[in-house]
Amino acid sequence: QVQLQESGPGLVKPSETLSLTCTVSGGSISGYYWSWIRQPPGKGLEWIGQIYYSGSTNYSPSLKSRVTISVDTSKNQFSLRLSSVTAADTALYYCARQEAAAARSDYWGQGTLVTVSS
Amino acid sequence: AIRMTQSPSSFSASTGDRVTITCRASQGISNYLAWYQQIPGKAPKLLIYAASTLQSGVPSRFSGSGTGTDFTLTISCLQSEDFATYYCQQYYTYPHTFGQGTTLDIK
Repeated sequence: QVQLQESGPGLVKPSETLSLTCTVSGGSISGYYWSWIRQPPGKGLEWIGQIYYSGSTNYSPSLKSRVTISVDTSKNQFSLRLSSVTAADTALYYCARQEAAAARSDYWGQGTLVTVSS
Repeated sequence: AIRMTQSPSSFSASTGDRVTITCRASQGISNYLAWYQQIPGKAPKLLIYAASTLQSGVPSRFSGSGTGTDFTLTISCLQSEDFATYYCQQYYTYPHTFGQGTTLDIK
């Protein structure tokens, strides 16, 4: 059974960079697409971006200037970096898997809360 | 970006009711649509993909339909565990946008 687990600091200061890692277990990261999705407290889901195991990426236009998603196949992990954060970036961050570029997210991590505050 | 609009945003129903949630895309997305259920404090769970295909393990009281711009999620006989928030998502083109969510609570 594939499992995803997000990890990273729960508190980030304004203007700094948010960094999260998603570790995939129970299956290989190779051959699949992997995404980051976030959810501000009490609000809906926002798609951040997607990476293929080979490293090709697609990002949300609204976040593209600040987002970098990378993959480390040797560790079965992929990562999110979001620069110049503000309070509006406070959210529950989820990682998820897709079988193809245009496919549903069939496996999700439990989510990790990141708060942006000084 | 394609905008996904769900209706209603929230409503109340009773156990045993048949309920329908609508999702409309701002442009055609063929059948590249998924529905997710989110229980408070939990990650979203995939219910339906390709607009009408039931994800393995999901009860058959859930069904989806539609193509192009208009889609529906139907729960045929509400159970207590179905009171949650439901999201549609298009994966036809980037960014893979979500609807704003429909919260279903107990009447």
